[in-house]
Amino acid sequence: GAGVSQSPSNKVTEKGKDVELRCDPISGHTALYWYRQSLGQGLEFLIYFQGNSAPDKSGLPSDRFSAERTGGSVSTLTIQRTQQEDSAVYLCASSPPDQPQHFGDGTRLSIL
Amino acid sequence: AQSVSQHNHHVILSEAASLELGCNYSYGGTVNLFWYVQYPGQHLQLLLKYFSGDPLVKGIKGFEAEFIKSKFSFNLRKPSVQWSDTAEYFCAVKSWGKLQFGAGTQVVVTP
Repeated sequence: GAGVSQSPSNKVTEKGKDVELRCDPISGHTALYWYRQSLGQGLEFLIYFQGNSAPDKSGLPSDRFSAERTGGSVSTLTIQRTQQEDSAVYLCASSPPDQPQHFGDGTRLSIL
Repeated sequence: AQSVSQHNHHVILSEAASLELGCNYSYGGTVNLFWYVQYPGQHLQLLLKYFSGDPLVKGIKGFEAEFIKSKFSFNLRKPSVQWSDTAEYFCAVKSWGKLQFGAGTQVVVTP
């Protein structure tokens, strides 16, 4: 069946630009998660959605980062005024309640 | 602070050797424990999980892990590795919804 889909798979942008990363979770998965994977920092939690609400935003590194989820499905992670330290692979995962998370292939973000 | 610690960053071993990767966590209360694997160029995949019950859990591809509550450990084992087990392995603890990952262990299996 279809897994977690993320787009774009790669994004190269200039410092200072805004970027939007998209995640399509597995159909029926109520929980959706964003993580970031970078050299030296490993895998870091960013934000978690249950339905359309975000009970835990504790991992967002700054107010330049925001995320939303609509219709209990698609989620968008937005990074404003990108900085070079934002370069990383951004991973999305989804799960049914109290079940393991399924990960997408990620979006590799490179800030020039 | 809550944390997940993996003992080795890099492991190199020959085919048919046994593999054991250590994982310790510092959480109180009930935790759900996982091992994920990331093969080169692929996404993270679940190897196995522990929620409750038998502390020895079996996963895919011949992997198993043992939860020892008194030691706050969840070590991953495979009796005989194959070249195709070359990958990065992540231990993770789920607490309050989110996963906290260890730093990962890069495993290279030589023919």
